[in-house]
Amino acid sequence: DAGVIQSPRHEVTEMGQEVTLRCKPISGHNSLFWYRQTMMRGLELLIYFNNNVPIDDSGMPEDRFSAKMPNASFSTLKIQPSEPRDSAVYFCASSRRESGANVLTFGAGSRLTVL
Amino acid sequence: LAKTTQPISMDSYEGQEVNITCSHNNIATNDYITWYQQFPSQGPRFIIQGYKTKVTNEVASLFIPADRKSSTLSLPRVSLSDTAVYYCLLRYSGAGSYQLTFGKGTKLSVIP
Repeated sequence: DAGVIQSPRHEVTEMGQEVTLRCKPISGHNSLFWYRQTMMRGLELLIYFNNNVPIDDSGMPEDRFSAKMPNASFSTLKIQPSEPRDSAVYFCASSRRESGANVLTFGAGSRLTVL
Repeated sequence: LAKTTQPISMDSYEGQEVNITCSHNNIATNDYITWYQQFPSQGPRFIIQGYKTKVTNEVASLFIPADRKSSTLSLPRVSLSDTAVYYCLLRYSGAGSYQLTFGKGTKLSVIP
């Protein structure tokens, strides 16, 4: 199993540009999570999906952020327009949702720098 | 949300046993306690999970008292490669959805 695959690993862009981060979850996992990590705020849950349906997006910071999961094997997190304060490492994680327990498998992350 | 509290940092010498305690006073009945390890420039990695009493695997042990208001991750005979941030995680359940919220974590530094 290749694990959770994220792309790009690194992205440097200028303020105002659109950024799209991609994630391929582990086959058979039915939950997908997007997290953001910064030194100041730690790991923050942005949004998660169950069976491709967004369940809770209360962690999405602003309308500039949007996430989609068109099928079980692909998800995107889009920032438009991007701002310097969006600079962070964005992690995607997937799991098989079971009652009472969740073991997340994380991808390697996408490091975003907005100049 | 069920909130977790951990020490910000810990230091240990190689070969010693390390115990990291996480407080979760508001844990829900059906919450499992899960611990993750994160190395620099990598995503968190699952270490161990438990519901009550004691769980042991090849990496660590997890001790959970009867009231489940805290849990202790035990790493036997740590090595330099165990230097990482360790997070305890709960699942908050409510209204058909749940949150998997990480706390600040404990930065463990293993000293030669």
